[in-house]
Amino acid sequence: AQRVTQPEKLLSVFKGAPVELKCNYSYSGSPELFWYVQYSRQRLQLLLRHISRESIKGFTADLNKGETSFHLKKPFAQEEDSAMYYCALSHTGNQFYFGTGTSLTVIP
Amino acid sequence: GAGVSQSPRYKVAKRGQDVALRCDPISGHVSLFWYQQALGQGPEFLTYFQNEAQLDKSGLPSDRFFAERPEGSVSTLKIQRTQQEDSAVYLCASSLVGGSKGYTFGSGTRLTVV
Repeated sequence: AQRVTQPEKLLSVFKGAPVELKCNYSYSGSPELFWYVQYSRQRLQLLLRHISRESIKGFTADLNKGETSFHLKKPFAQEEDSAMYYCALSHTGNQFYFGTGTSLTVIP
Repeated sequence: GAGVSQSPRYKVAKRGQDVALRCDPISGHVSLFWYQQALGQGPEFLTYFQNEAQLDKSGLPSDRFFAERPEGSVSTLKIQRTQQEDSAVYLCASSLVGGSKGYTFGSGTRLTVV
């Protein structure tokens, strides 16, 4: 069965420090992995997709099939990065499996 | 429209009452999805439409849940005989075709069953 695990419910870092939000998945095939973000009082929105190998707002995520991980990283955290982050997996391109989310707080 | 619109934003229902939640997707978006998000959890898939066809309803938790999209645009999620465990935020999302490029989510309807 497909599963997405985000081991940290809460994560706090200081402004300017590196940040890594962990995501591990279980799926036997070739999944598509995504990161979604929800800023305070805003709707859930797509941050990035592994297949596009892009950097959005300074965030990157590399799919590691050996470790079945898709950790989200940013070298220098900003206050505006404080938000709820969800890792998600899709194998059909339609149904997504979301993790339970990590609440990131960037301390000024 | 400019975004995915959901109504109402908040709904309080007495246990046993029927509710109907509406989703207005982005104009021209073929695919429409419903998710349920319980407190402290990530969104969980309920059902998926392509135009008016409901292609996947495997996530609907019971036969009290019913979704429709009769004309391939607006969708309604209906919950009959609501129970306390139905309390959650119900999210609607749409995309041009499928979800492989990610969805655009609405703000959700927060349902509280008392």
